[in-house]
Amino acid sequence: GAVVSQHPSWVICKSGTSVKIECRSLDFQATTMFWYRQFPKQSLMLMATSNEGSKATYEQGVEKDKFLINHASLTLSTLTVTSAHPEDSSFYICSANGGQTYEQYFGPGTRLTVT
Amino acid sequence: QQPVQSPQAVILREGEDAVINCSSSKALYSVHWYRQKHGEAPVFLMILLKGGEQKGHEKISASFNEKKQQSSLYLTASQLSYSGTYFCGTESTSYDKVIFGPGTSLSVIP
Repeated sequence: GAVVSQHPSWVICKSGTSVKIECRSLDFQATTMFWYRQFPKQSLMLMATSNEGSKATYEQGVEKDKFLINHASLTLSTLTVTSAHPEDSSFYICSANGGQTYEQYFGPGTRLTVT
Repeated sequence: QQPVQSPQAVILREGEDAVINCSSSKALYSVHWYRQKHGEAPVFLMILLKGGEQKGHEKISASFNEKKQQSSLYLTASQLSYSGTYFCGTESTSYDKVIFGPGTSLSVIP
């Protein structure tokens, strides 16, 4: 099956710094990638939808200036958490849709801890 | 709108059956089912499309009633490996974003 990778797997950063998370589709071209955030024992909450070469579409309540998403190629999307605060600590998961099937392929997730 | 899932949690003994339900207040194009183990990303189980599909794989199957905007996931003869949180995700149109339900925690004990 299709593989989506994320890097890093986990990151600890200080409050006020920025963190970049990469999401790559390894063996298929992802026309659309999705970024989710999951707090402990909660569901996956969609943050934004990114399409290659265009601006991301953010869900209501998600600050686009704080969570910068770039989908520069058909295999790479990045999420940058700017000026991170402890309340941004969460599990960030990306998924990709290759366009050929209805399945979304999920990355392994990145656990962000802001101290 | 987030779909509703029931039950919130269920504990089974190995070999028992379970049903997890997912319903939406909106018309649906598709329903996705995923299982997530603690600390891991969700794993795709199956997708059901508009048209009243039923699907199955080994001892896990699902149905989708688009008129009722409901889907059910059936786990038969449960195994220890079935433990995890099951999420349904719904799409209103094709190639739309998937909105996930709150999840159903399923624990299978020996």
